[in-house]
Amino acid sequence: QKEVEQDPGPLSVPEGAIVSLNCTYSNSAFQYFMWYRQYSRKGPELLMYTYSSGNKEDGRFTAQVDKSSKYISLFIRDSQPSDSATYLCAMTWTGGFKTIFGAGTRLFVKA
Amino acid sequence: NAGVTQTPKFQVLKTGQSMTLQCAQDMNHNSMYWYRQDPGMGLRLIYYSASEGTTDKGEVPNGYNVSRLNKREFSLRLESAAPSQTSVYFCASSEQGDSYEQYFGPGTRLTVT
Repeated sequence: QKEVEQDPGPLSVPEGAIVSLNCTYSNSAFQYFMWYRQYSRKGPELLMYTYSSGNKEDGRFTAQVDKSSKYISLFIRDSQPSDSATYLCAMTWTGGFKTIFGAGTRLFVKA
Repeated sequence: NAGVTQTPKFQVLKTGQSMTLQCAQDMNHNSMYWYRQDPGMGLRLIYYSASEGTTDKGEVPNGYNVSRLNKREFSLRLESAAPSQTSVYFCASSEQGDSYEQYFGPGTRLTVT
């Protein structure tokens, strides 16, 4: 069993839809939960991170962490064609140098 | 401010050849990382350098060596390339120990035939 599981998709939605991306994990020591966005043939870029449980909002993006269920989500409101990319969840622990990444979910937003 | 740069962008090697992937960052970050990305596997950590003068193994270090040349530069060497090392390689850096905020380079696409 992988430490972090993420559905690879692809996920295809119409412009303006609400997108929900999810990951599950098995290591209860994880404290930081990140979402990276990766456009085709580019390096990943950090979208947002959350420490421990709870929600965090940044514009159209909301990250949620449920540590009791070992489940994290990223919601994208009013999705745009420019949101079409692969979204990687990632996790690490305080003082940890080793970040564990999910395999990524490919998202397509159709105009 | 270029961020993280990697050279080369593309490389084709024959089995048994060696090469060095170069990475440099201009953000004055202390920590640097090398990852490989394969379809369906996500990013896997090969080696990291917590600070100048230190390096440590990650999840998949076999077949690779690294050098932290100075605070800016972190290189990855393949001594005897194998087809299993065909992948996209990313270098990343972070300001300090906690690796939750990493900045990635554009990647090197390596094919070993």
